[in-house]
Order: sequence, then C-alpha cells, then structure tokens
Amino acid sequence: KNQVEQSPQSLIILEGKNCTLQCNYTVSPFSNLRWYKQDTGRGPVSLTIMTFSENTKSNGRYTATLDADTKQSSLHITASQLSDSASYICVVTNTGGGNKLTFGTGTQLKVEL
Amino acid sequence: NAGVTQTPKFQVLKTGQSMTLQCAQDMNHNSMYWYRQDPGMGLRLIYYSASEGTTDKGEVPNGYNVSRLNKREFSLRLESAAPSQTSVYFCASSQGLSSGNTIYFGEGSWLTVV
Repeated sequence: KNQVEQSPQSLIILEGKNCTLQCNYTVSPFSNLRWYKQDTGRGPVSLTIMTFSENTKSNGRYTATLDADTKQSSLHITASQLSDSASYICVVTNTGGGNKLTFGTGTQLKVEL
Repeated sequence: NAGVTQTPKFQVLKTGQSMTLQCAQDMNHNSMYWYRQDPGMGLRLIYYSASEGTTDKGEVPNGYNVSRLNKREFSLRLESAAPSQTSVYFCASSQGLSSGNTIYFGEGSWLTVV
C-alpha cells in the first residue's frame, strides 16, 4: 500500500531557529516528491518538487533533500520566521496508474517569539 | 493573479440536501481536480478532469458528481449530502497530468452537513 508518513506531527520553535521536517514513503514506482506549505484556512502552496535524480533543492530559506534509496525526504527551514507557521505536507507521485499522488498528513509548525 | 477560485467559502447543509461547489482557474490549465481534506488524513482525490471534456473518478468518488463545463470551470455536486461529507474541499489545476507539473490549489470550501 502506498503511504507517506511525516514526522514530527507538530513542532514549536523560536523565531530565528532552524528546523527539519521528515517524510518517509513507501510509494512505488516513484516519480517525484513535492513539499507544500498550507497556512491555516488556506489552500496548499507548492514549495519544491524533486525527481528521482535530484537529491537537494532549495527555495529561499527552504531546502528539501531526497534519498530515493531509503525513501526518505526532509525539509529544512533556515532562520525561521513567524510567517513560517503552517502545515507542511509531503506528497509523493507514483507512475503506476496515471500519476497518482499520495499525500502525507502534514507537520504542523508553529514559530514563536 | 486569481489562480484557482472556489465558491462558496463556507456552507452548511442539511442531510439530503444538494449543492454544487464551483471552481474556476485562469491559468489556461488543461487538468483540474477536486480533493477533500479531513482531520488526521492526507488530501484525497475525489474526481479529476485530465482535459476539457473528460472526467475520471479518483480515490473517493462515491456521493459526488462533477462537470467540466469548459476549460476554465470544474464543478463538484453533492446530490444528497450526508454527514460523512462534512469536510474541506479543494479544487486544483495543473498544466497537464504529467507527473512533473505543479498543482495549484484554491483556497478551499468548508462544508458542514448536519
């Protein structure tokens, strides 16, 4: 069964600190992995998309890594800001049966002063 | 830069009532989707439309119907609402079904069925 598991479920950090969110998946055959940011009461917004051959990708203060061998990804947030408070969702696409997306349940991040 | 626009934002229905969620995108995208998001679960695909004139079932289609009215618009209809359909609904669009395409989401529609 295709699954995407994220950890931790929730996280509280102080403004200016760094943090790393984890994503493990069992999706096969693998096509790509995406990270989305979802603010409370809003729709998800794409941060990065990584294919099998990419092992790191940055978008400003967000850096995603991918280890396709161990089926793990991480999202590292540098110098956190209050506006980073959101849910971060890992999404994995498989190529079997029409590019099906499997969504994780998200990590809820809160950045405090 | 409207992107993907959904209406209504909030709706309360009584069991058995019907309603239609409207969605429009202004990015000239070929593919459109309807997802639902429930607490403790990842987003799940209800229906999608690969291109104008086509629609296909997703993971959880029961109790829903869709219409791809034209390239811009994709509506989701609940014919006889049930409490299990209480959820947040997201419309989304992408250039195509190719796995590398970014999927853009609307702001969501909060539906409560009592």
